[in-house]
Amino acid sequence: GPKVLQIPSHQIIDMGQMVTLNCDPVSNHLYFYWYKQILGQQMEFLVNFYNGKVMEKSKLFKDQFSVERPDGSYFTLKIQPTALEDSAVYFCASSLGGYAEQFFGPGTRLTVL
Amino acid sequence: QQKVQQSPESLIVPEGGMASLNCTSSDRNVDYFWWYRQHSGKSPKMLMSIFSNGEKEEGRFTVHLNKASLHTSLHIRDSQPSDSALYLCAASSGTGGYKVVFGSGTRLLVSP
Repeated sequence: GPKVLQIPSHQIIDMGQMVTLNCDPVSNHLYFYWYKQILGQQMEFLVNFYNGKVMEKSKLFKDQFSVERPDGSYFTLKIQPTALEDSAVYFCASSLGGYAEQFFGPGTRLTVL
Repeated sequence: QQKVQQSPESLIVPEGGMASLNCTSSDRNVDYFWWYRQHSGKSPKMLMSIFSNGEKEEGRFTVHLNKASLHTSLHIRDSQPSDSALYLCAASSGTGGYKVVFGSGTRLLVSP
């Protein structure tokens, strides 16, 4: 089936540093999402992105967060600067439409020390 | 802020039994529900989606939706040990820019 790839699978950084999480969505998908999950529990919506723009973002999407997808390449989540509470697994997802099935990547485990 | 409440938090059913999971949204603008299954250490995979009142069946899985009460339920018959996982309910509304809100999940354990 369709696959979403995420790079890297695991990232360890020091608090205050910048980190960029990369997502390679399904090729013909138009909607892109980032989610945050702590300890295999609640999946928290961060942001969705369509037609080059953020559509919706949650309160968890702090000012230090930004997303972009330059020229159809990776869909990225950048955190600058990072904080301890940013430690989590970040999942990227993509879908063909706003109501279509979302396909999730394997996640990037971010550890902020 | 929209909330999606799932119950129970955890559930143990014997192999071959029926598992019933519940989900309710607090946002009256919600018009689409999904059920995802997430095995430990893996990413969520969609099981079923529903947006019309009534029932939808796919194999051993049945989903119900009551739009008036914004309540959906997932029923798994003939439960198998491989069904043991975290089940996540998600809700979305077109008027909300397709923002997707997940519940905190029901952890299902199917005992052999």
